Amino acid sequence: AQSVTQLDSQVPVFEEAPVELRCNYSSSVSVYLFWYVQYPNQGLQLLLKYLSGSTLVESINGFEAEFNKSQTSFHLRKPSVHISDTAEYFCAVNTGGFKTIFGAGTRLFVKA
Amino acid sequence: DAGVIQSPRHEVTEMGQEVTLRCKPISGHNSLFWYRQTMMRGLELLIYFNNNVPIDDSGMPEDRFSAKMPNASFSTLKIQPSEPRDSAVYFCASSLGTSGSMDEQFFGPGTRLTVL
Repeated sequence: AQSVTQLDSQVPVFEEAPVELRCNYSSSVSVYLFWYVQYPNQGLQLLLKYLSGSTLVESINGFEAEFNKSQTSFHLRKPSVHISDTAEYFCAVNTGGFKTIFGAGTRLFVKA
Repeated sequence: DAGVIQSPRHEVTEMGQEVTLRCKPISGHNSLFWYRQTMMRGLELLIYFNNNVPIDDSGMPEDRFSAKMPNASFSTLKIQPSEPRDSAVYFCASSLGTSGSMDEQFFGPGTRLTVL
C-alpha cells in the first residue's frame, strides 16, 4: 500500500528566504504526485503535479518540486517566499484509480 | 464555474442530533469525495463516488455515518446520531473522473462541524 510522509509539521521562515518542504512516499509501482496548498479557512487547491516526463515541475507562483525516483521523494521548494505563502501544504500520491493519499501536511509560516 | 459548493459553512449541534452536510460538485465532474480534517488525524478520505455510485466507503468511521449521491449534482453526508468526537471540518471535492489517478481534485470551502 502506498503512503506519504511529510517530514516537517511546521516550517518557520523569514520573508524572501528560500524554503524546502520535504515529502517522501512509499510505493512499489509507478506514482502520480501532487502538492496541494490550503490557505486559512479554505479548501485545498492544487499547486503542482508530476504525472510523467520532466522530473522538475513548476507552479505559476514560483514553487517547484522535483520527482526523485531513487529517493522516493517529491520535495517542494521556493527560492524566495512571501508573507502570502503562509499556508498549509499537502503532498499527495496516487498509484492508479481514484484514491489519492494525502500526507499530514506542513504548516509554512513566513515571518516579516 | 462557481466551484464546489458546500452547505452549511458552519454547523453547531448538540450530541445526539442528526447532522446533514451538503455538496454540489462542479458541473461535468464524475467523481466526488468526502474528507474529514482534524488536527489529530489530518485529512481522511471518508468515501468517494464515481458516476453517482459509491466506490469505496472504507473510510467511513462508523455506521452513524452515511453518504448518498442521488444525482450528478448533489451529495449528502449524514451523521446520526452525532457525537462530540465528530467535530471537524468536512470537505467535499470533485474531479473529472476520466483519468482517475491523474485528475486534480477541486475542494469546496468545507463545513466546520461542532458537536457539543
